[in-house]
Amino acid sequence: KAGVTQTPRYLIKTRGQQVTLSCSPISGHRSVSWYQQTPGQGLQFLFEYFSETQRNKGNFPGRFSGRQFSNSRSEMNVSTLELGDSALYLCASSLYQGGQPQHFGDGTRLSIL
Amino acid sequence: AQTVTQSQPEMSVQEAETVTLSCTYDTSESNYYLFWYKQPPSRQMILVIRQEAYKQQNATENRFSVNFQKAAKSFSLKISDSQLGDTAMYFCALNTGANSKLTFGKGITLSVRP
Repeated sequence: KAGVTQTPRYLIKTRGQQVTLSCSPISGHRSVSWYQQTPGQGLQFLFEYFSETQRNKGNFPGRFSGRQFSNSRSEMNVSTLELGDSALYLCASSLYQGGQPQHFGDGTRLSIL
Repeated sequence: AQTVTQSQPEMSVQEAETVTLSCTYDTSESNYYLFWYKQPPSRQMILVIRQEAYKQQNATENRFSVNFQKAAKSFSLKISDSQLGDTAMYFCALNTGANSKLTFGKGITLSVRP
């Protein structure tokens, strides 16, 4: 069974641009969560999607948004990029909302110039 | 609110020896899950071991075991017979079950010396 797939693996953007990251969960998993990992703040929860609905949201500004499609694939969008958005963005999937354990992808490394 | 604290930023151990990584947490929930995740330089977060709070027996997975002290809110990871491949960052994480949100500690960098 294929694991969680995140694309792209690396991304370089400039301030003010927007970016979309993609996450395909493990087959049969319906919940997708997103995390931001930085050296200073560590791993922080962004949001969780289940059945195409955002179920839970972390403490991030409205520039961070996401969505989930009917096949459970999820996208995360960040608008008006700031230097502080440079981070590793990790996606995790589980069978259902609140399901444990979660399985993580390899992440997307986003660098803002 | 949940918190997870890993006070040791880094540790080093000789190959084949045993090492213990510390973690304390705080939550007002009575039912929750605790995890140790490993993140090697390849970046993927790999589940090492998990513990359900209602289970009194400490979880074990091959060379990995935990010491779960519920009253003290302590959850340490013991790695026996350390191997070079154990070199990684280790994160302690807490989930209270209502949703998928994991609250992570800051992590500890473990180096295994040959």
